[in-house]
Amino acid sequence: KAGVTQTPRYLIKTRGQQVTLSCSPISGHRSVSWYQQTPGQGLQFLFEYFSETQRNKGNFPGRFSGRQFSNSRSEMNVSTLELGDSALYLCASSFESGTGYGYTFGSGTRLTVV
Amino acid sequence: EDQVTQSPEALRLQEGESSSLNCSYTVSGLRGLFWYRQDPGKGPEFLFTLYSAGEEKEKERLKATLTKKESFLHITAPKPEDSATYLCAVQANRDDKIIFGKGTRLHILP
Repeated sequence: KAGVTQTPRYLIKTRGQQVTLSCSPISGHRSVSWYQQTPGQGLQFLFEYFSETQRNKGNFPGRFSGRQFSNSRSEMNVSTLELGDSALYLCASSFESGTGYGYTFGSGTRLTVV
Repeated sequence: EDQVTQSPEALRLQEGESSSLNCSYTVSGLRGLFWYRQDPGKGPEFLFTLYSAGEEKEKERLKATLTKKESFLHITAPKPEDSATYLCAVQANRDDKIIFGKGTRLHILP
């Protein structure tokens, strides 16, 4: 079974530009969450989508936005990039099993803003 | 405010030397507490979900326990391949948001 796929793996952008990251969840998973990971702040929740609707949102500025498509694939967009946006962006899809539920993460997109 | 604090920040152990990692949390109504392992350059790998105080789960050399204020990840007779950053996270009933701790960097020396 394929895992959570994130593209691209690495990205270098210039301050002021915008960027779009993509996430394909595990087949059959309808919930997709996005996180930003930095050495100083650790993993921080950005937003969650379920069946094309934003279900939850973290404390990030409006420059960060996302959407989910009918096939559950999700995109995250950051406009007017700042140097502080350099981070590993992780996507996760939720799963349920006989012993409970959890989240499976992709390998992330490493964004560097110069 | 919901909060997760992990200790220690870093831990070096000899192979075979058992120890415990701590995750202290404050949350208004716990829906679930998660443990993850993260290797450099990779996304977190799911280990356990705990739901209520007194619950325990095991996987190979790892055992996670939960009380009303903290969770412990016990590592028994660790091997060098157990070296990684271990992350703890909580999800609140109130809003379903997940809050991660900063992690414990574990290094097992051969």
